[in-house]
Amino acid sequence: EVQLVESGGGLVRPGESLRLSCAASGFTVSSNFMAWVRQAPGKGLEWVSVISGGGTTWSAGSMKGRFTISGDNSRNMTYLQMNSLRVEDTGIYYCTRAIRFGAIWFFDLWGQGTLVTVSS
Amino acid sequence: SYELTQPASVSVSPGQTATITCSGDNLEERYVFWYQQKAGQSPVLVIYQDNKRPSGIPERFSGSNSDNIATLTISGTQSMDAADYYCQAWNTTALCVFGAGTKVTVL
Repeated sequence: EVQLVESGGGLVRPGESLRLSCAASGFTVSSNFMAWVRQAPGKGLEWVSVISGGGTTWSAGSMKGRFTISGDNSRNMTYLQMNSLRVEDTGIYYCTRAIRFGAIWFFDLWGQGTLVTVSS
Repeated sequence: SYELTQPASVSVSPGQTATITCSGDNLEERYVFWYQQKAGQSPVLVIYQDNKRPSGIPERFSGSNSDNIATLTISGTQSMDAADYYCQAWNTTALCVFGAGTKVTVL
């Protein structure tokens, strides 16, 4: 079955770090682009970052420098390292498969999401 | 920064047509994608490249993009179509942008 399963969310204090993991099954991440999209409570979707199978990354300006996407093709995994977390980073983080079309991507497969809560 | 504007809500009677718009500067020059998110669930892609339906998406979902307005149309709306719908496009500076979402209520 083709699916994505996220893990690693939880409750952290402002300024702390967290690493989210995304396990892919039914396809290989090395042949695809993978991305993270987040959603604050009761709010809309916000793109975070994209990584190619070769390790090239693109990130939203607002999170550059704090969030880093990476992948482990041998484990078919994608990660999101989040540092210096802020209260406004609270939300559900979705792992997605990104389909590239020219210079753009869209997201055709989504995981169930993992909840990150940043609070003192 | 680049913005996509959607109506906050749309109400439709069962069997009628729901029309959800998404507007942005020079939008007709970009591809638009649409996602459906039912309450408590992950988003699902329903339209890509303006008007293409992924496998498994019912034919009642269709899309268009012209005159800087992208439109998602649900023909013969069913109660199961009640959800939030988000449009998405790309901008060379902001990269990926989502609209704020439209809540579709089937009365």
